[in-house]
Amino acid sequence: AQSVTQLGSHVSVSEGALVLLRCNYSSSVPPYLFWYVQYPNQGLQLLLKYTSAATLVKGINGFEAEFKKSETSFHLTKPSAHMSDAAEYFCAVSTFTGTASKLTFGTGTRLQVTL
Amino acid sequence: NAGVMQNPRHLVRRRGQEARLRCSPMKGHSHVYWYRQLPEEGLKFMVYLQKENIIDESGMPKERFSAEFPKEGPSILRIQQVVRGDSAAYFCASSPGQGRGEQYFGPGTRLTVT
Repeated sequence: AQSVTQLGSHVSVSEGALVLLRCNYSSSVPPYLFWYVQYPNQGLQLLLKYTSAATLVKGINGFEAEFKKSETSFHLTKPSAHMSDAAEYFCAVSTFTGTASKLTFGTGTRLQVTL
Repeated sequence: NAGVMQNPRHLVRRRGQEARLRCSPMKGHSHVYWYRQLPEEGLKFMVYLQKENIIDESGMPKERFSAEFPKEGPSILRIQQVVRGDSAAYFCASSPGQGRGEQYFGPGTRLTVT
C-alpha cells in the first residue's frame, strides 16, 4: 500500500529564507508524486508533480521538488520565501489499481512566513 | 474554462438531517473523486466515480453515505442522518482519465453539523 509521511506539521521561516518541506513516501510500484497547496478556506491547487520523468521537478510560484528514490523522498523547496507562500502544503502519492486511481495524502505542513 | 465547481460552499445541518453536496467536474472530465478533510488532518479518499458508475468506494463509510454521478448533471455526495462527526470539508476532484495523473480540486463544501 502507498503512504506519505510529512515531517513537521508546522514550519516557520523568515521572508527571503529558504523553504524546505519534507515528504517521504512508501510505494510498492514506481510512484507518481504530487505537491498541493491549500490557502485558508480554499481548495487544493497543484504546485508540481513527478511522473517518472526528470527527478528535479519545477512547479508554480518558484517551488521545486526533487525525487530521490534511494531516500524515498520528495521534498519541496523554494529558495526565497514570500509572505504569500503562507499556506498548508500537502504531499500526495497516486495509487492506481488498474481500474481506479486515487491520491493518498500526507497530513500536511502549515508554512508560516514572518517578516 | 471553469474549474471544478462545488456547491454549496458552506452547509449547516442539524443532527439527523440529510446533507447533499454537489460537484460539477471540469469540462471534458468524466472522472470524479470525493475526499474528506477532517480538522487538522489531510484529505482522505472516499469514492471514485465515472458517469453512472461507482468504480471504487473503499473509503466510504458503510452506512449513511452514498454517491452518484448520473449521466446528466453533477455528482452528488449524500449523507443521511448526519452526526457531529460528519462535520468536515468535503472536496471533489476531477480528471480527464483514469490514469495516475493529477486531479483538479474544487473549493470544497464545509459541512457543519449542529
